[in-house]
Amino acid sequence: LAKTTQPISMDSYEGQEVNITCSHNNIATNDYITWYQQFPSQGPRFIIQGYKTKVTNEVASLFIPADRKSSTLSLPRVSLSDTAVYYCLVGVTSGTYKYIFGTGTRLKVLA
Amino acid sequence: IAGITQAPTSQILAAGRRMTLRCTQDMRHNAMYWYRQDLGLGLRLIHYSNTAGTTGKGEVPDGYSVSRANTDDFPLTLASAVPSQTSVYFCASSETSIDNEQFFGPGTRLTVL
Repeated sequence: LAKTTQPISMDSYEGQEVNITCSHNNIATNDYITWYQQFPSQGPRFIIQGYKTKVTNEVASLFIPADRKSSTLSLPRVSLSDTAVYYCLVGVTSGTYKYIFGTGTRLKVLA
Repeated sequence: IAGITQAPTSQILAAGRRMTLRCTQDMRHNAMYWYRQDLGLGLRLIHYSNTAGTTGKGEVPDGYSVSRANTDDFPLTLASAVPSQTSVYFCASSETSIDNEQFFGPGTRLTVL
């Protein structure tokens, strides 16, 4: 099972860049790495997905080293509205268990 | 376009009662999922369905059953609710079973007394 490990919580100030690292030592060859954001009382929302190297979209960047055993979500210039829980997800495309969510990283952005 | 809807929004249920949580999506997605979210445990997959007519067990399937009679609906049934099933339940869907972009519903808060 490609379980993930993330820091439990992080604090940051508005305007700073935030990097959240996720470990996934047992990632399978065909697995993608996906990050979700969750606000209180809402379902998770897709942020970004990648397979290797670097992916960037309008809200975040995802850095994946060559061995793919970890990944880093980078949020540029965070604002108070980025306060949320961030989940790293590694897709398990075979076997009984699919799409293992970890406990997530609780990011608190301070003014 | 509504996306994914769940009903009820919240429910208080006596232990031993049967309960069905409803989930409907209008995106014509093939795959659907049920998760439960408990404080300190994150999201855990209960059951999934890769396509209409098929279902599979996730990480915590005991005490729950699902059916997928058509593409749009994926109900979750608790045959005899127990207090440990008190949780927030999220339904999700994705275009295919190997597509990691899942779209989540607003959740159902269930309390079993």
